[in-house]
Amino acid sequence: GAVVSQHPSWVICKSGTSVKIECRSLDFQATTMFWYRQFPKQSLMLMATSNEGSKATYEQGVEKDKFLINHASLTLSTLTVTSAHPEDSSFYICSASSGRAVWNEQFFGPGTRLTVL
Amino acid sequence: KQEVTQIPAALSVPEGENLVLNCSFTDSAIYNLQWFRQDPGKGLTSLLLIQSSQREQTSGRLNASLDKSSGRSTLYIAASQPGDSATYLCAVNDYKLSFGAGTTVTVRA
Repeated sequence: GAVVSQHPSWVICKSGTSVKIECRSLDFQATTMFWYRQFPKQSLMLMATSNEGSKATYEQGVEKDKFLINHASLTLSTLTVTSAHPEDSSFYICSASSGRAVWNEQFFGPGTRLTVL
Repeated sequence: KQEVTQIPAALSVPEGENLVLNCSFTDSAIYNLQWFRQDPGKGLTSLLLIQSSQREQTSGRLNASLDKSSGRSTLYIAASQPGDSATYLCAVNDYKLSFGAGTTVTVRA
């Protein structure tokens, strides 16, 4: 149980285009979803937290107009990287939790590798 | 701001040797601590979750201890195998997950 999927697993796009990444909880209802970014040889950094039906809460330094997060259902959250640039190239990982309490365990997706040319 | 440090950054051991991975954190007011495994280019696999009220958790060859007051956790992997080669991440949950940079383990056959 507690399986989270991401699609696509990797994507290459041209600079200036927008890219959408999907995160799905397959066997549970994800009240809260999280988006992380991981640069090579570095650890995961939380980008934003989203509760179903509410606006996402972004971490300091993360541009909300550039990284659009939608959590319209209890099983799906999307991250759209708008006007992507090479510096946005990274590994994006989502996680999902079945509760809103901060101590609830998060279950992680397999990640999406984004390369912006 | 929570700071999570993992030492060493890299470790190479012969097969069969026990592994000891260290994690330290600066703010002891945590809900839980979690150890993950990450293979190159892949997502995270959860290994062990220790609640703040617990001192240790065990799963098979893995044992993780937590000393919240001193801000430390240790992951022990007994009788290491080449398949244990990966990066191990420690994450501390206060109001959000804060990750260490990881320890990259190589087990030599």
